[in-house]
Amino acid sequence: EDKVVQSPLSLVVHEGDTVTLNCSYEVTNFRSLLWYKQEKKAPTFLFMLTSSGIEKKSGRLSSILDKKELFSILNITATQTGDSAIYLCAGVIQGAQKLVFGQGTRLTINP
Amino acid sequence: EPEVTQTPSHQVTQMGQEVILRCVPISNHLYFYWYRQILGQKVEFLVSFYNNEISEKSEIFDDQFSVERPDGSNFTLKIRSTKLEDSAMYFCASSGGSGSGAKQQYFGPGTRLTVT
Repeated sequence: EDKVVQSPLSLVVHEGDTVTLNCSYEVTNFRSLLWYKQEKKAPTFLFMLTSSGIEKKSGRLSSILDKKELFSILNITATQTGDSAIYLCAGVIQGAQKLVFGQGTRLTINP
Repeated sequence: EPEVTQTPSHQVTQMGQEVILRCVPISNHLYFYWYRQILGQKVEFLVSFYNNEISEKSEIFDDQFSVERPDGSNFTLKIRSTKLEDSAMYFCASSGGSGSGAKQQYFGPGTRLTVT
């Protein structure tokens, strides 16, 4: 069964800290991995990772994929209260139309 | 920026009733999806739709559920004879371009379904 596991499930830090969120996957015929940020409702797209070892960056957020060890990390530097959200990662299966989601990491940034 | 929209934002229904959840995907997208998220649980795939037919469905998507694209813009999920355990947030998503498949799906804001 395809599985995506995220850790930690919950993380509370102070504004300005750097955080690393983890996502490991066991997905047959893996194609790519997606990161989403879920605030109040809709997951909003952050990154798509297909190739191993290539870092993707967007402002203070960055992410990388390791296809040998089957995991990805999402880094957020200089965190702000607006970064508080649930961060979801999802695996994409080759030839399939569905995303397989992890359970999410609830990140809370305290001022 | 184009976005996926969903209506209603919250639907309350009695057990045994039928509900229709509506979605307007991003206009040039070709792949459409429904997911659900039971409170406190993972987002789960229900069904994908391409070229006017279901392309993939999960075990959850049984005969109680159906999808339809009744016109060029709407994409609906019908749940017949609702059960208490159907209470969840239902997300519509779409992805675009020929051959893009499941890449980079854009999600709507969700419909919270409460079955009483």
